[in-house]
Amino acid sequence: EDQVTQSPEALRLQEGESSSLNCSYTVSGLRGLFWYRQDPGKGPEFLFTLYSAGEEKEKERLKATLTKKESFLHITAPKPEDSATYLCAVHPPNDYKLSFGAGTTVTVRA
Amino acid sequence: GAVVSQHPSWVICKSGTSVKIECRSLDFQATTMFWYRQFPKQSLMLMATSNEGSKATYEQGVEKDKFLINHASLTLSTLTVTSAHPEDSSFYICSASNPGTVRNQPQHFGDGTRLSIL
Repeated sequence: EDQVTQSPEALRLQEGESSSLNCSYTVSGLRGLFWYRQDPGKGPEFLFTLYSAGEEKEKERLKATLTKKESFLHITAPKPEDSATYLCAVHPPNDYKLSFGAGTTVTVRA
Repeated sequence: GAVVSQHPSWVICKSGTSVKIECRSLDFQATTMFWYRQFPKQSLMLMATSNEGSKATYEQGVEKDKFLINHASLTLSTLTVTSAHPEDSSFYICSASNPGTVRNQPQHFGDGTRLSIL
């Protein structure tokens, strides 16, 4: 069974303190790995899609990278508005369903 | 970016009532829509996948007679929670995707519906 594991569960950062979130997956023939941001009481907001090992995507203070078994979401010099739960999800082959990890809740203090 | 609208955002109703939730893709044609349920501090749990013009595919353990899904057009899917009871109270989220165009299109999510059954 496909599994997506995110760590840590929660991350408390000082404003400006860079850090990384991890998403490890056990799915053969990955068709895509997705990062989403979810604010309390809202639906997930799409951030990135990564397709192959070595690929990187950037958006403002966020950078996502992908290896054969895991993905990292790097937050550089975070601001309080970066506080959210970050979800990782994978697309196995021959299936349009997403398998989600449990998420990492990031809190950035001013 | 792609916009998915979900309505209503919040529903409070009495036990035994049926509740309909709408999910609309506003700027793209969604051949596939997904319905999720999310409990507090947990991740999204897929309930069902609906493809336009055909019957929904339900995940194991999800009662199809309890959660009726209709996907009659490329821009609208509805989820009806029939004879809702307090245990059905949850956060329901829809997503829309058009996987047939560019490869591995992401799912775009609505803002969810908070359902509270008294």
